Amino acid sequence: QSVLTQPPSVSGAPGQRVTISCTGSSSNIGAAYDVHWYQQLPGTAPKLLIYYNTNRPSGVPDRFSGSKSGTSASLAITGLQAEDEADYYCQSYDSSLSASVFGGGTKLTVL
Amino acid sequence: QVQLVQSGAEVKKPGSSVKVSCKASGGTFSSYAISWVRQAPGQGLEWMGGIIPIFGTANYAQKFQGRVTITTDESTSTAYMELSSLRSEDTAVYYCARATTVTTTHWYFDLWGRGTLVTVSS
Repeated sequence: QSVLTQPPSVSGAPGQRVTISCTGSSSNIGAAYDVHWYQQLPGTAPKLLIYYNTNRPSGVPDRFSGSKSGTSASLAITGLQAEDEADYYCQSYDSSLSASVFGGGTKLTVL
Repeated sequence: QVQLVQSGAEVKKPGSSVKVSCKASGGTFSSYAISWVRQAPGQGLEWMGGIIPIFGTANYAQKFQGRVTITTDESTSTAYMELSSLRSEDTAVYYCARATTVTTTHWYFDLWGRGTLVTVSS
């Protein structure tokens, strides 16, 4: 069981908006530790998508955005495209474990 | 453009050890940190541990304490992850990843290696 909980799957049609949630606890997200998001296309290494809750690295389209509130964070993808079909992971720090932790991952299907 | 170049795939027997390398090509580790993340077949990402080369200090996930050792060789800008007492459940792709801060609580991973498949089988 992952310390950070994500829905196993989400789906949306091209052009739509989808959100992926990442729920933690008082020892990670709720303790004000930052949340980061990664995209993993099939057969490839993860790629940084969002860092420090809301920031996009250079080259990441502004269709991707992150937010955080309380013990949860969310990744929103607008204007869904076929190329967005991938696995998405959140990551934070957990003070009880003294470790970086990942969510279980969410598979995004573009219908 | 710095790349993290990992060593090739390995096949190991249960009970043995494996050592995977990760070389910063086109740059150095400098003031960064390096973590190791693994992914079992069809599963999610799992953080194993990380090291801050300039301090030489490593920290490990509790699950791997006593079985994993992460080291670096700054002269060659190479990080290593050694996992011992291998079992079939350790079959996975092992990634090295760079964190841009030495503050462990703020780690995020902006650069990843391509991964090294380690297969544990008798």
